[in-house]
Amino acid sequence: IAGITQAPTSQILAAGRRMTLRCTQDMRHNAMYWYRQDLGLGLRLIHYSNTAGTTGKGEVPDGYSVSRANTDDFPLTLASAVPSQTSVYFCASSSSGGGTDTQYFGPGTRLTVL
Amino acid sequence: GQNIDQPTEMTATEGAIVQINCTYQTSGFNGLFWYQQHAGEAPTFLSYNVLDGLEEKGRFSSFLSRSKGYSYLLLKELQMKDSASYLCAVVDSNYQLIWGAGTKLIIKP
Repeated sequence: IAGITQAPTSQILAAGRRMTLRCTQDMRHNAMYWYRQDLGLGLRLIHYSNTAGTTGKGEVPDGYSVSRANTDDFPLTLASAVPSQTSVYFCASSSSGGGTDTQYFGPGTRLTVL
Repeated sequence: GQNIDQPTEMTATEGAIVQINCTYQTSGFNGLFWYQQHAGEAPTFLSYNVLDGLEEKGRFSSFLSRSKGYSYLLLKELQMKDSASYLCAVVDSNYQLIWGAGTKLIIKP
């Protein structure tokens, strides 16, 4: 059982390019999340999905979009990358979206936008 | 606004005990998590407290005082592998997780 996988592990991207970060979980969790983590700041929620077919905006959604076509996959898309989107991105999942369930994190994607 | 405060960095000696504090001011409270994050890795779950008091789990214990908006993580018999960042996160009234910036713990031999 892999848990949560993310791809790519790292990426260097030119500003203005479109990029999709992939996230897949095999735990049949209903809820999934995308966070970014920057030095000196806590994890910040970008978007979330409480169940397949639904998504919601987190604290810092601008410049990002998500979809949740099925239970397992939750891709994050940067339509036109900017240098301020340089960060480490973590995908997470929990059995439900109630907030009190433990979240399980993927290994992260380190993204650099030049 | 919502705020979670943790010390930025702490240093402790192998074999000793260390207490990492977390104070919070949030709109409502529905529980508090502690996660461990080794450098370059994903956060992993350590504990969840929703009621006041101390919960012990092996070498790690977590304490909560809701009236004081305060929690701490106590690590005993420190090992080199405990060098990591420790993240405090509070579940607010909307059942959203609010994360602290984390405390980097350095263990010295």
